Order: sequence, then structure tokens, then C-alpha cells
Amino acid sequence: DTGVSQDPRHKITKRGQNVTFRCDPISEHNRLYWYRQTLGQGPEFLTYFQNEAQLEKSRLLSDRFSAERPKGSFSTLEIQRTEQGDSAMYLCASSPTGGPPGSGNTIYFGEGSWLTVV
Amino acid sequence: GDSVTQMEGPVTLSEEAFLTINCTYTATGYPSLFWYVQYPGEGLQLLLKATKADDKGSNKGFEATYRKETTSFHLEKGSVQVSDSAVYFCALEGTYKYIFGTGTRLKVLA
Repeated sequence: DTGVSQDPRHKITKRGQNVTFRCDPISEHNRLYWYRQTLGQGPEFLTYFQNEAQLEKSRLLSDRFSAERPKGSFSTLEIQRTEQGDSAMYLCASSPTGGPPGSGNTIYFGEGSWLTVV
Repeated sequence: GDSVTQMEGPVTLSEEAFLTINCTYTATGYPSLFWYVQYPGEGLQLLLKATKADDKGSNKGFEATYRKETTSFHLEKGSVQVSDSAVYFCALEGTYKYIFGTGTRLKVLA
């Protein structure tokens, strides 16, 4: 059973460019999460999908950020007009259909995609 | 809103020392609680979890007990090893998100 896969693992981009990250969750996991992590901090929630529906989105997610999960399988996170403050690791996680939210479902993280904006 | 507070690190211990990393939470109701570990250059891995009050999660010699009265979920290990050096995150499960603490870096010296 393969884990959560993220691509690319590292991305260096110039300020103002657009970047896109891809996440392939564990097979048959219908719940998918995106988080952002900066050095010395814990993961910050960005957005949540249940199948293809985006059910929760953080206020941290400005209009420059958009995420999709078109067929309920892989997901993409796009950042438009990148800024230096966007430099961070972007983590994807997934979990299987389990109990209702809050009942102890384990989420499984990918290794993350590092973004450096220069 | 919901939040998690962890003791600040780094924590530096000698091998075989006793470890405690404090974690307290603020939440509506009684959420499930987790400890995740992150090794350098890697994503987060589940270490242990507890889903209700007085539950004890355990794994690889680590333990944590869900204390409703003190809203705490402190991580303990009786004898740490060099290989335990990592960053440890306490987290709670909300409705559609998991909320993480800022992490505690542990360094174990041989």
C-alpha cells in the first residue's frame, strides 16, 4: 500500500509566478487535507475535501490560493502570483472513510512539497 | 476556537532519560487527541492517539493519557534513545480539520 504522494518535492520560483502542487492520496481514501508548514511551526490547515467536494477552507487561504479535487482522487493546490511569504512546505494528508469527523480518524501525511519564492 | 498549546523546545536529554512533553488543548466538547512525530525532511507520522477521556495511547514506548479535567495530553517515555530525536506535534481532531501545536524539538545525546 503506497503512501500519500506529493509532487514536486521541491520548487523554486520567482516572485509573481504561479505554482501548482499535486497530491495523490492513499487509494480509496475519500478525505483529503492540505496544510502549510513554516520553519519552527506546526502545520496550519488550508483546506479539506470529502471526495470531490471542498467542505472547509481556511481564512488563511487568500484569493491567490485555489485547490481542486476534480474526480475525488488526486488533488492540486495552485498558488497564483507567488509572494516571498508563500515560502513554506505544503503538506497533503488523507484519511479513509471512517467514523464521523472528530471520532479519532487517523490522517496520513505525504512528505510535503517545499516552496521557495525568490 | 479550538487550539493546542505545547511546551516550547528544544528539549535536550541524555540517552535513557525520562521524557515529558506537555500538551494542553482548548476545544468545544471532547475531541480525539493525537501525537505526531516528524523526522528531518519527512512528513508527519502518527505516533499515538486517544479518542475519549481517560484513554491511554501508546506506541514504541511512548504513552499519553487523555485528561479531561486538565484538558491535557502529555507525552511520556521512560527511556529515550538517540533515534527518538525529532519534532513532536500534539493535535486535536476538529470537525473538518486537525489542529496542531507548534511542535517540540527533542534532541537525545548519546
